Amino acid sequence: QKEVEQNSGPLSVPEGAIASLNCTYSDRGSQSFFWYRQYSGKSPELIMSIYSNGDKEDGRFTAQLNKASQYVSLLIRDSQPSDSATYLCAVNRGSNFGNEKLTFGTGTRLTIIP
Amino acid sequence: DTGVSQDPRHKITKRGQNVTFRCDPISEHNRLYWYRQTLGQGPEFLTYFQNEAQLEKSRLLSDRFSAERPKGSFSTLEIQRTEQGDSAMYLCATRTSGDNEQFFGPGTRLTVL
Repeated sequence: QKEVEQNSGPLSVPEGAIASLNCTYSDRGSQSFFWYRQYSGKSPELIMSIYSNGDKEDGRFTAQLNKASQYVSLLIRDSQPSDSATYLCAVNRGSNFGNEKLTFGTGTRLTIIP
Repeated sequence: DTGVSQDPRHKITKRGQNVTFRCDPISEHNRLYWYRQTLGQGPEFLTYFQNEAQLEKSRLLSDRFSAERPKGSFSTLEIQRTEQGDSAMYLCATRTSGDNEQFFGPGTRLTVL
């Protein structure tokens, strides 16, 4: 079982619709959860972090965390063509020594169809 | 642009050559991480520094790899006797002590012929 699992996609969503990206993780000690966006040939760009169960909203993005189910998701509202990218889910055990390294999923490729 | 810079952005080398990459963090970021990303995969952790101290190394970091951060500012990652399997994007990320968010530089894409 991979430590962080994502559906590789591609996920195709019409422009203006809601894109829903999912991620599961196996380490119950995980405390911090991140979503990165990566355009082709570029480096990952942090778009959301979430540390507590529930929802966290930032503009068109909402991250959702359920630690009991070991599940984290990202919703993108009013999807735009510029949202077309690979979305990477990453987790770590916290910010203290020994827990800091990020473990990434393989990413979900999202395509927004105009 | 996160403020993390990496040099060079691209490197093509022949198998068996040594290569060195540099990462310059955001000035107040004392934590610095190296990751490697191959096509279709997420980044994989290699090593990290708190100031000048190297605190953790992945099993991925073979004896041919060495990383330094001599003055707690910029860091270098050297690969000796490169192999074709070393071809990847090498990513540097940094953060402050008080936050858990890591910010990536643009990466160095290495191609070993």
